[in-house]
Amino acid sequence: QKEVEQNSGPLSVPEGAIASLNCTYSDRGSQSFFWYRQYSGKSPELIMSIYSNGDKEDGRFTAQLNKASQYVSLLIRDSQPSDSATYLCAVANSGGYQKVTFGTGTKLQVIP
Amino acid sequence: SAVISQKPSRDICQRGTSLTIQCQVDSQVTMMFWYRQQPGQSLTLIATANQGSEATYESGFVIDKFPISRPNLTFSTLTVSNMSPEDSSIYLCSVERSPNTEAFFGQGTRLTVV
Repeated sequence: QKEVEQNSGPLSVPEGAIASLNCTYSDRGSQSFFWYRQYSGKSPELIMSIYSNGDKEDGRFTAQLNKASQYVSLLIRDSQPSDSATYLCAVANSGGYQKVTFGTGTKLQVIP
Repeated sequence: SAVISQKPSRDICQRGTSLTIQCQVDSQVTMMFWYRQQPGQSLTLIATANQGSEATYESGFVIDKFPISRPNLTFSTLTVSNMSPEDSSIYLCSVERSPNTEAFFGQGTRLTVV
């Protein structure tokens, strides 16, 4: 059973702070890792993708991957109330078109 | 990214009836995916649709309940058959432009069965 684990939250941070979202996965064969943001009643929106160990930065967002520890995280700097949403971690194997396994999501609340 | 148009965006249906959800992509893609997201839950893959062949269903999902069509490289439909209140969910179609890349989602269909 391939699993992706996230703390459901809610994670509450003050506006302007750094929000840290964490995800662990069970399948060591996983090669592709994604973070999606999902506002209530909306479909998931891709925030970041990461494929190799280390950090990947895009604007206020940084994804971190550690395959040895089977751990992926998302940092959101200068958090804004508009960042309040559920963040889904998604993991996929390599080898052609992949079936993506989603975590249950972490609800983030940014307090003005 | 990909532009994915999914419709209807929402519907309220009577139990025992069927609903067909359409997914149109702005360019040709090999694989399309159908997901279900039940209230308060994460996304669960229903099936993978490859043009020109039968869809591949995940454990717990069967073709009689969720028939899928994939007539060409830009379009797919998912039918939810003989609906019950337990089928009330958000249904999402998804595409990947090429292997091992990001998945993009349609707007979703919010289905309520009464």
